[in-house]
Amino acid sequence: GQNIDQPTEMTATEGAIVQINCTYQTSGFNGLFWYQQHAGEAPTFLSYNVLDGLEEKGRFSSFLSRSKGYSYLLLKELQMKDSASYLCAADSGGYQKVTFGIGTKLQVIP
Amino acid sequence: GAVVSQHPSRVICKSGTSVKIECRSLDFQATTMFWYRQFPKQSLMLMATSNEGSKATYEQGVEKDKFLINHASLTLSTLTVTSAHPEDSSFYICSARGVGQGAATNEKLFFGSGTQLSVL
Repeated sequence: GQNIDQPTEMTATEGAIVQINCTYQTSGFNGLFWYQQHAGEAPTFLSYNVLDGLEEKGRFSSFLSRSKGYSYLLLKELQMKDSASYLCAADSGGYQKVTFGIGTKLQVIP
Repeated sequence: GAVVSQHPSRVICKSGTSVKIECRSLDFQATTMFWYRQFPKQSLMLMATSNEGSKATYEQGVEKDKFLINHASLTLSTLTVTSAHPEDSSFYICSARGVGQGAATNEKLFFGSGTQLSVL
C-alpha cells in the first residue's frame, strides 16, 4: 500500500526559513513530488526528486533520501504569499499511481 | 508549458442528476490521467487512474459504476458522476502525465483547474 506522512500545520515568520518533512512507504517508487496549493485552486508544481540529494530552485529546495523514505521541502526568505498547503506525493512511475500526502498548511506571519 | 484544460469549473445540480467533467491536454498526449477528489481542508484523494484506451483502475472504496471514467483518446478524459447526491459534493481535479513537446518529460503531473461540484 501507500502511506505518506507530513505535518498538518506549520507556522513560520516572514523572512525566515522553514522545512516541511515528508516520509513515505510505497509499493514501487520512482520519485517524489512537491506541490503548492492555495485554497480553492489547483496544485502548482514545485519539484520532482528522483535521485538522492538536494535540488535547489530559487527560494525553494527539495531533498530526497530513497533509502530512508524521506523528503523535505525547504523554503527560504519566506514571504506572506507562501502561505499555502504544501503537498508531497509519491510517484510509482510511468502508468502507475501518484499518491498525495494530507498536505501541510503553512501560515507565514509578519 | 503543458496545459490541461478542465471544465466546467463549477457545477450546481439537483440530486439524482448526472454530471460530466472533461479534461483535455492541449499541447501534449496524456498517456495517463489521474482523477482526484478533495474535500474542504483535506488532501487530494486519488479516485482512479486511467491509461488511454484501457479501463480505469479504481481505488478501494470508489464505486466504478457511480464514477464513470472514459479515456478514449490521448487528449481527452472524462469523469461522469452518475445520480449525484449531496455527499458527492466536492472539488474534483484531474491531472495528466504524458509525452509531447508541451509535456517535456513523462514525469511531471499537469493539473486541470478543478471542478467544484455542489449537489443540492
